[in-house]
Amino acid sequence: GENVEQHPSTLSVQEGDSAVIKCTYSDSASNYFPWYKQELGKGPQLIIDIRSNVGEKKDQRIAVTLNKTAKHFSLHITETQPEDSAVYFCADSSGAGSYQLTFGKGTKLSVIP
Amino acid sequence: EAGVAQSPRYKIIEKRQSVAFWCNPISGHATLYWYQQILGQGPKLLIQFQNNGVVDDSQLPKDRFSAERLKGVDSTLKIQPAKLEDSAVYLCASSLDPGTDTQYFGPGTRLTVL
Repeated sequence: GENVEQHPSTLSVQEGDSAVIKCTYSDSASNYFPWYKQELGKGPQLIIDIRSNVGEKKDQRIAVTLNKTAKHFSLHITETQPEDSAVYFCADSSGAGSYQLTFGKGTKLSVIP
Repeated sequence: EAGVAQSPRYKIIEKRQSVAFWCNPISGHATLYWYQQILGQGPKLLIQFQNNGVVDDSQLPKDRFSAERLKGVDSTLKIQPAKLEDSAVYLCASSLDPGTDTQYFGPGTRLTVL
């Protein structure tokens, strides 16, 4: 992709509440949208991804929604736990042979016990 | 299954010195990426390899950065000479084959240039 905007940059929630992180992209050719979780001192870990032919995907407490018309996608975490505290990155890829990822700037999520 | 391995984990050097980072991708992964992650930002792609060939190095500052993947497995990224603005985490990632987007990241090397 060309540019990925991610909001908010920081998010604090009480344990058990839901957290939502939103991203918008600019490249109309983007067709793959992964979400990564990065804990302090570690590399990014893929937690969920979605492709452009799907509108929503869920994996236990984590879900991702995609609106191709509006060019935005969101990460939803329900029943948050302290171990969900980390920096979350969205990214997009247009495929087209190189499959390169363009990342957002990240959201620091803090779950307060 | 073993993940992406990187070494060293930390490196501190003086400006104008040289430094090298090593990456061993997940076994069987044909595509390897090097990213630079400056504090507070998302990873930015530096170079992409497919087997031992370069797919894209358009974002690599070639006057000081070089990378190789001679046998299509391990890769090294070198900076010579280093500048203060090179202080960052250098991440290596790999994917199974060129036809997939799913990338798996290593733990990174944190470089501090003084």
